Amino acid sequence: SQKIEQNSEALNIQEGKTATLTCNYTNYSPAYLQWYRQDPGRGPVFLLLIRENEKEKRKERLKVTFDTTLKQSLFHITASQPADSATYLCALMFSGGYNKLIFGAGTRLAVHP
Amino acid sequence: DTGVSQDPRHKITKRGQNVTFRCDPISEHNRLYWYRQTLGQGPEFLTYFQNEAQLEKSRLLSDRFSAERPKGSFSTLEIQRTEQGDSAMYLCASSFRDRDGYTFGSGTRLTVV
Repeated sequence: SQKIEQNSEALNIQEGKTATLTCNYTNYSPAYLQWYRQDPGRGPVFLLLIRENEKEKRKERLKVTFDTTLKQSLFHITASQPADSATYLCALMFSGGYNKLIFGAGTRLAVHP
Repeated sequence: DTGVSQDPRHKITKRGQNVTFRCDPISEHNRLYWYRQTLGQGPEFLTYFQNEAQLEKSRLLSDRFSAERPKGSFSTLEIQRTEQGDSAMYLCASSFRDRDGYTFGSGTRLTVV
């Protein structure tokens, strides 16, 4: 069956360090992979999209890599701040068919001052 | 345009009652999605509209769930004969193109007692 795996344990890091979150998937041929941020009680907020033929994407302090051989994406937040504390969701969109996103369970990031 | 709006924000209902939620997407977006999210999990796909056409419905969705999007604008999600297992956050999202990230609403939190 199709599966998206994100670290279920919370990631705790010190302010100023780089946070790295992992997303692994099986049995997919995704067209796109997206990352979202979700705060408690709120809907997810879109951060970045990377296509299957792209290796890396950057936006300000955020960087996403996509390795279709390893079936893995890494999400990096550099110079992390306490305001970056949230749950980060990985989501895949299939090529062909309708463009629905399939989400992972998310990883909670806590940045400590 | 203030983004995706969902109403109500919270709904408490007795088991067996019917409930209806409303979603107003971003006006330029022709794609609209409904997701359900429970604590500690990622959003789970329910259904997808392109304009007024419902193009996909999750196999997980029982016959008690129905969604409409008349005239391709706002959408409603109805749950008939609610069960305690229906308690969750119901999220609506919209997008303009399949390569865009989704814009989510803040969700409707349903509690079935």
